[in-house]
Amino acid sequence: GNSVTQMEGPVTLSEEAFLTINCTYTATGYPSLFWYVQYPGEGLQLLLKATKADDKGSNKGFEATYRKETTSFHLEKGSVQVSDSAVYFCALSVPPYGQNFVFGPGTRLSVLP
Amino acid sequence: EAQVTQNPRYLITVTGKKLTVTCSQNMNHEYMSWYRQDPGLGLRQIYYSMNVEVTDKGDVPEGYKVSRKEKRNFPLILESPSPNQTSLYFCASSSYRDRSYEQYFGPGTRLTVT
Repeated sequence: GNSVTQMEGPVTLSEEAFLTINCTYTATGYPSLFWYVQYPGEGLQLLLKATKADDKGSNKGFEATYRKETTSFHLEKGSVQVSDSAVYFCALSVPPYGQNFVFGPGTRLSVLP
Repeated sequence: EAQVTQNPRYLITVTGKKLTVTCSQNMNHEYMSWYRQDPGLGLRQIYYSMNVEVTDKGDVPEGYKVSRKEKRNFPLILESPSPNQTSLYFCASSSYRDRSYEQYFGPGTRLTVT
């Protein structure tokens, strides 16, 4: 089946620190990969995505590269801010029903000033 | 503004009292879905709908019903709620963009069943 594994949280960092949140997946077929972010009291928002091997998704200073050989899609940011405090979800969708998503358990990030 | 709306945002009810959580989207999306979010479990899909009058079970459908009579609306029905359905619920709709589908989420409904 299809599944997503993320590093356990919570992750606590100081402002301007480097962030990595690991994500690995198993999938039947060729998945598209996503990172979603959930700010307190809100729904999930798409942060970035990649649809084929070696693609790099980026947004708001966050990046993730689709690594087919290691089935990974790790999220990185060079310098986190307090406003980045949120829960981050790695997710995938697989053809033929690409509308159906599988989400990881989420990683809570807290950034301290 | 393109959005997915859910109502109510918060609901406290008692075991066995039927309830409906509404979901509506204004983006003309064909695909809609319901999830529940529980600590340590992430999001689990309850039901989804590929189009009007087409619905199917997700991973955790027991105790829930849905209907899709109109494209924009996808209500979630709990006929006889139980405490183990206390959770945070999200509705989502999906569109194809930049070589993949993307999901758009509502703000969530926090349900407590006592």
